Amino acid sequence: DAKTTQPPSMDCAEGRAANLPCNHSTISGNEYVYWYRQIHSQGPQYIIHGLKNNETNEMASLIITEDRKSSTLILPHATLRDTAVYYCIVVRSGNTGKLIFGQGTTLQVKP
Amino acid sequence: SAVISQKPSRDICQRGTSLTIQCQVDSQVTMMFWYRQQPGQSLTLIATANQGSEATYESGFVIDKFPISRPNLTFSTLTVSNLSPEDSSIYLCSVEAGGLLEQFFGPGTRLTVL
Repeated sequence: DAKTTQPPSMDCAEGRAANLPCNHSTISGNEYVYWYRQIHSQGPQYIIHGLKNNETNEMASLIITEDRKSSTLILPHATLRDTAVYYCIVVRSGNTGKLIFGQGTTLQVKP
Repeated sequence: SAVISQKPSRDICQRGTSLTIQCQVDSQVTMMFWYRQQPGQSLTLIATANQGSEATYESGFVIDKFPISRPNLTFSTLTVSNLSPEDSSIYLCSVEAGGLLEQFFGPGTRLTVL
C-alpha cells in the first residue's frame, strides 16, 4: 500500500474551515484514500474516503487532485470537539480491513 | 454501523503474566482486526482474525506472544502473553461491518505492565 505524508500538527480557529493536506504520490489506480481521526483516549473514527472524485458527507469533504497524488480533508466549520489526530491512509481495493496508520496530523482547534 | 465493546477497559499486570482482552460486536462480521498503540504512537496492526480459521499475523507479531481466538462471528479474544513493560500499550479491536468500506473501532484496552 502507498505511503502517505502529513504535517505533524496544525492549528485552526473555532468556526473556521480546517484544511488538512496529505501527500500520497505513489498511490496506485486501485487504491482508495481514507481519513480517520482519533480523539484523545478513544478508538479511531472513520471520516470519509474516496477514489478519484471529490466526496462530501455530514462530517467533511475530501478533495483529491486530478493526478491523485495528494488530497485535502476539509472540516468546514471546526469546533473544539474536532481536536484530534487525523490519519490519511491509502488502502488497496479489496483490502480495506488492513489499515496502515502513519503518524497523522494533530489538529488543535482553538477558541 | 457496528458497536464494539472491549473488556477490560484497562488493567495493570505483573511482568511474566498474561492478559486476555475480549472484543464483542453487536452484529455478525467476517473479519476482525487487532491493533496495538504504544504510548505516543499511532496504531499498528497485529493480526486479522477470521471466524473458523487461524489468525493472520503481521510482520513482527507471533502467535506464541499474541494468541487470538475467534469462536464465532461476534466475538474475539487477544491474549498478550509473558508480559513485559514493553507490552504496555492500548490494544484495540476493529471490524469491517455490513459490506461498508469503513472500519469501526472499539474503545481500546489500556494495559500497563509493572
